Amino acid sequence: NAGVTQTPKFQVLKTGQSMTLQCAQDMNHEYMSWYRQDPGMGLRLIHYSVGAGITDQGEVPNGYNVSRSTTEDFPLRLLSAAPSQTSVYFCASSAGQGGNSPLHFGNGTRLTVT
Amino acid sequence: GIQVEQSPPDLILQEGANSTLRCNFSDSVNNLQWFHQNPWGQLINLFYIPSGTKQNGRLSATTVATERYSLLYISSSQTTDSGVYFCAVSWAGTALIFGKGTTLSVSS
Repeated sequence: NAGVTQTPKFQVLKTGQSMTLQCAQDMNHEYMSWYRQDPGMGLRLIHYSVGAGITDQGEVPNGYNVSRSTTEDFPLRLLSAAPSQTSVYFCASSAGQGGNSPLHFGNGTRLTVT
Repeated sequence: GIQVEQSPPDLILQEGANSTLRCNFSDSVNNLQWFHQNPWGQLINLFYIPSGTKQNGRLSATTVATERYSLLYISSSQTTDSGVYFCAVSWAGTALIFGKGTTLSVSS
């Protein structure tokens, strides 16, 4: 099994550009989420989904959109990139909702906005 | 929301030493997980431990939910144990909230 796959691994954007970070899992997990990791801040939740067609905001949702049209995929869209969105982004999935089963992470996408 | 505090923030060990990492949380939780982020940035789930004690090789974890803390024990540490250890908690099926982590450096 591939587990949770994130693409791309690295990305450089100019301020104002838009892009989509891809996330796919092959474990048939209902729950998927996006976190960002910044130095000294730990991991902060951006958006999450408890199943296809259902999404909700996390702690830091501004500037990001998500959709969940299939169980497998949970893309994260940056609408108009800003330097404050320079970060490492992690996608994660689990069999249960939110926290009631082990959470599995992808390898991350390192995004730089200039 | 729930606050998660981890201590110590940094820990330096010689290979072979034992260590204890602590996670305190501010409110009731029905779920707690420990993760290791290796020097390459990969996040690995170590334990899913809402209560009780679990062991996996040289690592073990104990959660006392009624007293709002969890401990991660690392015995006979190795250089491959280096990295950042995160505790994350949740309540009632909501999303996991992470602490800021403990950075462990193990030297040979």
